[in-house]
Amino acid sequence: DSGVTQTPKHLITATGQRVTLRCSPRSGDLSVYWYQQSLDQGLQFLIQYYNGEERAKGNILERFSAQQFPDLHSELNLSSLELGDSALYFCASSATSGTPTYEQYFGPGTRLTVT
Amino acid sequence: TQLLEQSPQFLSIQEGENLTVYCNSSSVFSSLQWYRQEPGEGPVLLVTVVTGGEVKKLKRLTFQFGDARKDSSLHITAAQPGDTGLYLCAGETSGNTPLVFGKGTRLSVIA
Repeated sequence: DSGVTQTPKHLITATGQRVTLRCSPRSGDLSVYWYQQSLDQGLQFLIQYYNGEERAKGNILERFSAQQFPDLHSELNLSSLELGDSALYFCASSATSGTPTYEQYFGPGTRLTVT
Repeated sequence: TQLLEQSPQFLSIQEGENLTVYCNSSSVFSSLQWYRQEPGEGPVLLVTVVTGGEVKKLKRLTFQFGDARKDSSLHITAAQPGDTGLYLCAGETSGNTPLVFGKGTRLSVIA
């Protein structure tokens, strides 16, 4: 158990809909990262928050957005869903950001299926 | 463009065999991490290497960071079925950049 929790575990929805994925980082971790994992693309970095502020952006679509709340939990919002958005979505947290090395601890993921 | 290339993509071996998987790049990394991921679960951090030429051992797993900090290898001795999983390497190019992940090596160890 990494200490990172994600809900829900599974999500099935229709095209055009909007969903929210939730992540609670390990106790004390200030950084939260969101990743998308599909079979053909591997693990793709979407976005990072550090203590409530956006720190880095990766391959995140404009239809997707995220935020980190004062209690440090984070939500990833996916809207106007398309079939190609079906994937595993992982959240990870780390204790530090901006130092030479930082180690990320991953949650169990949310499997999103868009039908 | 995939910054980190992992090879082989798939590997199926018998229990007790040794194996090495590779993580290569043309970029220099300030650190490199190895993760193992089992089906339906998140990646689990195995090790972080930060110094060129560094070797770290974790039981039967030996990790090496290349002298130029552009590549890494993972060697498993006497593989066991419990080693089965997706092995991912991830590199950090500088202190303020996100990790870049390779696509992984999917290992299957058959009893």
